[in-house]
Amino acid sequence: QKEVEQNSGPLSVPEGAIASLNCTYSDRGSQSFFWYRQYSGKSPELIMSIYSNGDKEDGRFTAQLNKASQYVSLLIRDSQPSDSATYLCAVRRTAYGNKLVFGAGTILRVKS
Amino acid sequence: DAGVTQSPTHLIKTRGQHVTLRCSPISGHKSVSWYQQVLGQGPQFIFQYYEKEERGRGNFPDRFSARQFPNYSSELNVNALLLGDSALYLCASSLDVNYGYTFGSGTRLTVV
Repeated sequence: QKEVEQNSGPLSVPEGAIASLNCTYSDRGSQSFFWYRQYSGKSPELIMSIYSNGDKEDGRFTAQLNKASQYVSLLIRDSQPSDSATYLCAVRRTAYGNKLVFGAGTILRVKS
Repeated sequence: DAGVTQSPTHLIKTRGQHVTLRCSPISGHKSVSWYQQVLGQGPQFIFQYYEKEERGRGNFPDRFSARQFPNYSSELNVNALLLGDSALYLCASSLDVNYGYTFGSGTRLTVV
């Protein structure tokens, strides 16, 4: 079992729709969770962080965390073609020097 | 303010050679981490340094080494390069080990 799992996609949504990206993790003791966006050929860009159960909203983005189910999600409202990218879920593992463990990423395609 | 800067941006090396990659963190950031990203995968943790001390090491062979300087910049060294070392090498900095990480634009290493 991988430490952080994501559906590789691609996830295709029409412009203006809600894109829902999901991530599960195996270490029940994990405390910090991050979503990064990575455009093709570019480096990852931090878009959301979440540390406690529930929802966290920032503009068109909402991160959701359920520690009991070991599940993190990212919702993108009013999806735009510029949102087309790979979305990486990352979990901080404090047992190894606070390293981030990344999933393989979900490719999102927003069709205009 | 300048973000995380990495040099060089691209590099082509021959098998068996040595390479040094450089990273300057965001001003005021004391933690620097290195990640390797191969195509189609999420970044993999290599090292973390905080206040010039190694705080974590990933599952990479001893051919990989790093250090952090008094000005918090960092170098990643890879000896005896293999074809499989071809990847995007990412440096990330943060204020402290418990904060979110900001990535540099990366160094694309190709080993031929």
